[in-house]
Amino acid sequence: DTGVSQDPRHKITKRGQNVTFRCDPISEHNRLYWYRQTLGQGPEFLTYFQNEAQLEKSRLLSDRFSAERPKGSFSTLEIQRTEQGDSAMYLCASSPASGRKYNEQFFGPGTRLTVL
Amino acid sequence: DQQVKQNSPSLSVQEGRISILNCDYTNSMFDYFLWYKKYPAEGPTFLISISSIKDKNEDGRFTVFLNKSAKHLSLHIVPSQPGDSAVYFCAASGTGNAGKSTFGDGTTLTVKP
Repeated sequence: DTGVSQDPRHKITKRGQNVTFRCDPISEHNRLYWYRQTLGQGPEFLTYFQNEAQLEKSRLLSDRFSAERPKGSFSTLEIQRTEQGDSAMYLCASSPASGRKYNEQFFGPGTRLTVL
Repeated sequence: DQQVKQNSPSLSVQEGRISILNCDYTNSMFDYFLWYKKYPAEGPTFLISISSIKDKNEDGRFTVFLNKSAKHLSLHIVPSQPGDSAVYFCAASGTGNAGKSTFGDGTTLTVKP
């Protein structure tokens, strides 16, 4: 068990470009979450998957954002036509769907996005 | 409207003393509360949690207290160590929320040797 991994760790892009981030959760975890964190704030929920099904999306997730988890394993988060306001740390977390630890989320190191 | 609030952005304590970090929430549907610790360049790491059916949970040097009537929880670290210096996030979730957590903005703890 190597924990949750995210790729890339850092991404610098120009406004208007598309970016895609990848998250590999802990292998036995059914649930996968995306959060966004800006400086001085806590993580804000974006979306959540149980296996391959995307079950909830925050209103923060505008139509420029899309997330997938095609085979219930890794997930991707794509941002189209990036804006400077998208600059943030994007965190991925996973958790089991049941059991004692299902409320505890295991976070990856995050992808820091800078939009110039 | 922020549903989970950590009103102290920072806290500084001397090594060996007690650190007390506070958190308030507004949503009565929250029934599970967690504390995460975050070091620079890393994601948050789970520290300790408490269910709303309890008022105290202890794990080594860390104790979380829950006061449901006041919608308040606190994290006590005793004795504090320099390695405890980090950002601490309070988080809350509710039954049926599929484990989705609402986070506070964090408190930066500095433990001075």
